[in-house]
Amino acid sequence: SQQGEEDPQALSIQEGENATMNCSYKTSINNLQWYRQNSGRGLVHLILIRSNEREKHSGRLRVTLDTSKKSSSLLITASRAADTASYFCATVPGGADKIIFGKGTRLHILP
Amino acid sequence: DTGVSQNPRHKITKRGQNVTFRCDPISEHNRLYWYRQTLGQGPEFLTYFQNEAQLEKSRLLSDRFSAERPKGSFSTLEIQRTEQGDSAMYLCASSRGAGKADTQYFGPGTRLTVL
Repeated sequence: SQQGEEDPQALSIQEGENATMNCSYKTSINNLQWYRQNSGRGLVHLILIRSNEREKHSGRLRVTLDTSKKSSSLLITASRAADTASYFCATVPGGADKIIFGKGTRLHILP
Repeated sequence: DTGVSQNPRHKITKRGQNVTFRCDPISEHNRLYWYRQTLGQGPEFLTYFQNEAQLEKSRLLSDRFSAERPKGSFSTLEIQRTEQGDSAMYLCASSRGAGKADTQYFGPGTRLTVL
């Protein structure tokens, strides 16, 4: 079963703009991770945020986590063509030792 | 670090045939995971190993599926009597096994098509 649900399902923006993707989940978590998948490089881990953290940055990526709302957001600033990919949020439930992925957001950066 | 490798990259088979996929994890990684991904969906967890021990199996893993990691290094995933519904991308990932916050590194996947 898939716990995380990304929103929107698809997003197209102009190069240089910021892209925001949201993820909602159902049960308590230990941490939440974001992954990127494109045809060239497969599934790549981007960033992990623990349940006791509220915000985390990595380069052009900014992730927020609101455990009271069971939601997270991924912001990609100054988007580039190479950011075109599917983005998945993945949760590690509190009592589990595995990752549960959402269905993903397909991001397309327009030149 | 050569990353996680999977073989074959593509497999086309006829319904009813058996298929076996191989995953070679990053050498010092203790944990190895198998996922299945269908078009438009995220990866779905199938099973994982801590060294050679298979610690958890998803209910998605029917009796036709079996996975092994005999020496705690590479792993194989076998599907017996394949069905068209088995068509998917099969992904393997490995991690150091340091705990719940451990990063998983994914291989390129094996794309299975059952005719």
